[in-house]
Amino acid sequence: GAGVSQSPSNKVTEKGKDVELRCDPISGHTALYWYRQSLGQGLEFLIYFQGNSAPDKSGLPSDRFSAERTGGSVSTLTIQRTQQEDSAVYLCASSLGNRAEKLFFGSGTQLSVL
Amino acid sequence: SQQGEEDPQALSIQEGENATMNCSYKTSINNLQWYRQNSGRGLVHLILIRSNEREKHSGRLRVTLDTSKKSSSLLITASRAADTASYFCATAPSNDYKLSFGAGTTVTVRA
Repeated sequence: GAGVSQSPSNKVTEKGKDVELRCDPISGHTALYWYRQSLGQGLEFLIYFQGNSAPDKSGLPSDRFSAERTGGSVSTLTIQRTQQEDSAVYLCASSLGNRAEKLFFGSGTQLSVL
Repeated sequence: SQQGEEDPQALSIQEGENATMNCSYKTSINNLQWYRQNSGRGLVHLILIRSNEREKHSGRLRVTLDTSKKSSSLLITASRAADTASYFCATAPSNDYKLSFGAGTTVTVRA
């Protein structure tokens, strides 16, 4: 596709369940970011992948959160044992190179934990 | 903590008027970017200004950067209803890739 694709667009889950969020970046983009945005707030950095380098996981809020990127392309963000405070929009972005310039964002996944 | 902070938090203007919003940041940067977000979903990149630039234009957008004050402004001229959105500034410290976003300015353009 031409843009960054995220799925699902909406996810409703029960507290304690695990969820997987998927991001398909723009072809050829080596950098991939995950951000989280709570209602009316700015974006909170979660994790960064660049090529084959070890990811920067410094923004992950707890060990319940993990992410992987297979083959330098598709990425999956996994949240285990979801809590109500995990409810937010999870945004994925990709870019060329490693200078954090001109990120292309997906439409996000709205996660609601009941 | 957030690197960039926008001001004001919200702005309401009449169609045809100009909208100005400001961004302050904390550390040395290579560039500063502005993004637009409609309906709380994906952000769209608007414009990037490098640390050695003072002003940049793109269509109806004008961005200024004052590195001595660690601040930037975004001006939207001749606003339209379609400009109604939230606007975020984003910065990364020099030699870093973690782009940090402020809480944004919500702009409402009244017809």
